[in-house]
Amino acid sequence: GESVGLHLPTLSVQEGDNSIINCAYSNSASDYFIWYKQESGKGPQFIIDIRSNMDKRQGQRVTVLLNKTVKHLSLQIAATQPGDSAVYFCAVTVGGSNYKLTFGKGTLLTVNP
Amino acid sequence: NAGVTQTPKFQVLKTGQSMTLQCAQDMNHNSMYWYRQDPGMGLRLIYYSASEGTTDKGEVPNGYNVSRLNKREFSLRLESAAPSQTSVYFCASSSLVGQGNGYTFGSGTRLTVV
Repeated sequence: GESVGLHLPTLSVQEGDNSIINCAYSNSASDYFIWYKQESGKGPQFIIDIRSNMDKRQGQRVTVLLNKTVKHLSLQIAATQPGDSAVYFCAVTVGGSNYKLTFGKGTLLTVNP
Repeated sequence: NAGVTQTPKFQVLKTGQSMTLQCAQDMNHNSMYWYRQDPGMGLRLIYYSASEGTTDKGEVPNGYNVSRLNKREFSLRLESAAPSQTSVYFCASSSLVGQGNGYTFGSGTRLTVV
């Protein structure tokens, strides 16, 4: 089966700095990867995704990097803001679809003013 | 607004009581899921329904049953609640064919079993 882990359960950054949240996965057949943000008391919210035929994908202030060789995924947040404080999860699946995602345990990002 | 609606938002049960958590989505998604979220454990899949008329066990199905009532609705039932089932429960839905933005989650049901 698939296991997904994050390198650091907590991350604290200063407002305006860049944040990097890392994730490792075990199944080399994994081919679709998603990052979610979960604010306190709410359900997870989609941030950005990437498929295995890509190494990098950019959104608004966020970039996801995929290294299939070492089975590593990262989320970079530029100019981190207090509103970015949340728990961030990576999720992976096999088959290129949304179907049956496996979630990591999450990293709590705290942004200090 | 389109999305996933869960009811109730909060519930306290006594050990041995039963209850059903309701979930409905209005995005015409084929697949629906129930997860539980515990501190330090991330999201764990309880049951899922790949399409209307089918249900399958996930990672932690013991103590739960589900019903895919129609394409929109997917309910989770606790027949005899136990303190170990104290958790936050999330329903989610997705399209099968990989289109769209991953899962859409509901806002969760916080269940306490005493």
